[in-house]
Amino acid sequence: NAGVTQTPKFRILKIGQSMTLQCTQDMNHNYMYWYRQDPGMGLKLIYYSVGAGITDKGEVPNGYNVSRSTTEDFPLRLELAAPSQTSVYFCASSYAENSYNEQFFGPGTRLTVL
Amino acid sequence: GQNIDQPTEMTATEGAIVQINCTYQTSGFNGLFWYQQHAGEAPTFLSYNVLDGLEEKGRFSSFLSRSKGYSYLLLKELQMKDSASYLCAVTNSNYQLIWGAGTKLIIKP
Repeated sequence: NAGVTQTPKFRILKIGQSMTLQCTQDMNHNYMYWYRQDPGMGLKLIYYSVGAGITDKGEVPNGYNVSRSTTEDFPLRLELAAPSQTSVYFCASSYAENSYNEQFFGPGTRLTVL
Repeated sequence: GQNIDQPTEMTATEGAIVQINCTYQTSGFNGLFWYQQHAGEAPTFLSYNVLDGLEEKGRFSSFLSRSKGYSYLLLKELQMKDSASYLCAVTNSNYQLIWGAGTKLIIKP
């Protein structure tokens, strides 16, 4: 089991460029999440998905888009990168959204927008 | 609104005991998690409490009081490798995880 994998590990973008952050999990989890974490701050939920074909906005969705065509993959798209999107992005997954919804995290993608 | 409060930073000595507090105000409660996050790494699961009382797991223990909206993480026999951030997270009535900003724990020899 690789768990949750993310690519790339690091990326530098210019303002206005676009990119896709990839996330894959091999634990057959239904629920997947995208978070951003700014220095010294907690995790902010961007988008989440409760299963293939179903996505919903989290706390800070502006400037991002997601899709969930398969159970395994949950890519995050940045269309017009802005300096405010400089952050560390974590993808996570969990088996079910109930009281015990332990989330398993990928290693993160460190994104800088200049 | 929903809010989770933790101290920003704590310092402790190797071999000692430290208690990290977490208070929460959320729309409903369905469990509380503690995660450990080393610098530059992803959060990893430490403990889970859904009923009042103390859960012990080796050198780490976690306590919950639902009536007070309060939890603490107790770390005993501190080791240098325990230097990390500790994140408190609460599952609300919609089964969403609400995260605290984390407590950075610095261990001194």
